Amino acid sequence: SAVISQKPSRDICQRGTSLTIQCQVDSQVTMMFWYRQQPGQSLTLIATANQGSEATYESGFVIDKFPISRPNLTFSTLTVSNMSPEDSSIYLCSTIGTEHRLAGATSSYNEQFFGPGTRLTVL
Amino acid sequence: GQSLEQPSEVTAVEGAIVQINCTYQTSGFYGLSWYQQHDGGAPTFLSYNALDGLEETGRFSSFLSRSDSYGYLLLQELQMKDSASYFCAVSQDSSYKLIFGSGTRLLVRP
Repeated sequence: SAVISQKPSRDICQRGTSLTIQCQVDSQVTMMFWYRQQPGQSLTLIATANQGSEATYESGFVIDKFPISRPNLTFSTLTVSNMSPEDSSIYLCSTIGTEHRLAGATSSYNEQFFGPGTRLTVL
Repeated sequence: GQSLEQPSEVTAVEGAIVQINCTYQTSGFYGLSWYQQHDGGAPTFLSYNALDGLEETGRFSSFLSRSDSYGYLLLQELQMKDSASYFCAVSQDSSYKLIFGSGTRLLVRP
């Protein structure tokens, strides 16, 4: 299956600071997504990271708060800016299974692979 | 608005069968997926239904009724390792974006 790594795996940050989360995929993929999962809650899509253009944000999420970079087809970053305790969550990146070199042949349509997540605590 | 409703918790015994229901109300519908997530882990894909009917994958089966905006995940021969949270997720279009349900926490008892 696809390998997706995220850095850092966890962090504790002070209010008002910013944290950049990295997502690295082991093969080139066009589709990359960022989700947020608050403790014990469901996953909410933040944005689609587009290579070569600005990210596409979902309702309730804005670029100033969650700037995203996608410099190439294997890497993306999500920055959580000017953090508050309400930003304490797990942040996950995901990609589409059919795009992965090893998994594509057996991957079901619409299967998504998720990274291990970044657990962020804001004090 | 958009909503996906699931029971918050289900408890079952090892070896039993359990069904986790999902009803959805979304502006568009392309397909229904199910994901499993163990505590501290990433969600992992279980199944996808785009058409009405039952899809079977080993001990897990998933059902969809588009006319009823309803689906379920059926887990057979429950094992302790099946204790996890299960999420249904709707794809509204071909963009691959997912809207997740609230999640069902399954506890399998000996």
